[in-house]
Amino acid sequence: DADVTQTPRNRITKTGKRIMLECSQTKGHDRMYWYRQDPGLGLRLIYYSFDVKDINKGEISDGYSVSRQAQAKFSLSLESAIPNQTALYFCATSDRGSSGANVLTFGAGSRLTVL
Amino acid sequence: KNEVEQSPQNLTAQEGEFITINCSYSVGISALHWLQQHPGGGIVSLFMLSSGKKKHGRLIATINIQEKHSSLHITASHPRDSAVYICAVSETSGSRLTFGEGTQLTVNP
Repeated sequence: DADVTQTPRNRITKTGKRIMLECSQTKGHDRMYWYRQDPGLGLRLIYYSFDVKDINKGEISDGYSVSRQAQAKFSLSLESAIPNQTALYFCATSDRGSSGANVLTFGAGSRLTVL
Repeated sequence: KNEVEQSPQNLTAQEGEFITINCSYSVGISALHWLQQHPGGGIVSLFMLSSGKKKHGRLIATINIQEKHSSLHITASHPRDSAVYICAVSETSGSRLTFGEGTQLTVNP
């Protein structure tokens, strides 16, 4: 089984629908992240969580919400999906390395299409 | 101006060639990461480095902190190396990563 599992892998939905992307990990990492990737742009951070009681907005959090149900689970919700939220979404986890920086482990990605 | 810039954006090589992908950044960092994204979309961490050089198989990553520049080298390239290579930096001001736009590498047989 993968260290970081994302579900669903692919989803097509309509404008206005509520969508949840789920992420679970077996790495035992405290830190979890949600990123989106758009063609021609680098990965951009939506939300991140350093532990179960810690949730932080990233650079593009508008239109999204998250829930850290447990150390191993971090869900991303789109309350009312819109077409410009069509993108590839990645969950990632990290542990703090000896240098103070974070080594990331990524999920396989969730491709979301909003019609 | 992006805080992390990669060059080239696209690179096509013949099998066996030596490949270099460059990354420049404009912020203070605690570490720099090189990631590989295959056509299926999955992203794998290749290196995390804060100084000097690291080697893994045919891949070599170097960083010059003073010049705020890193390079990823692939020796004896192979078609299976075809992927998007992404540079990212862990900024000293926070705990988040800032990503470059990626370099699309195609290695032809």
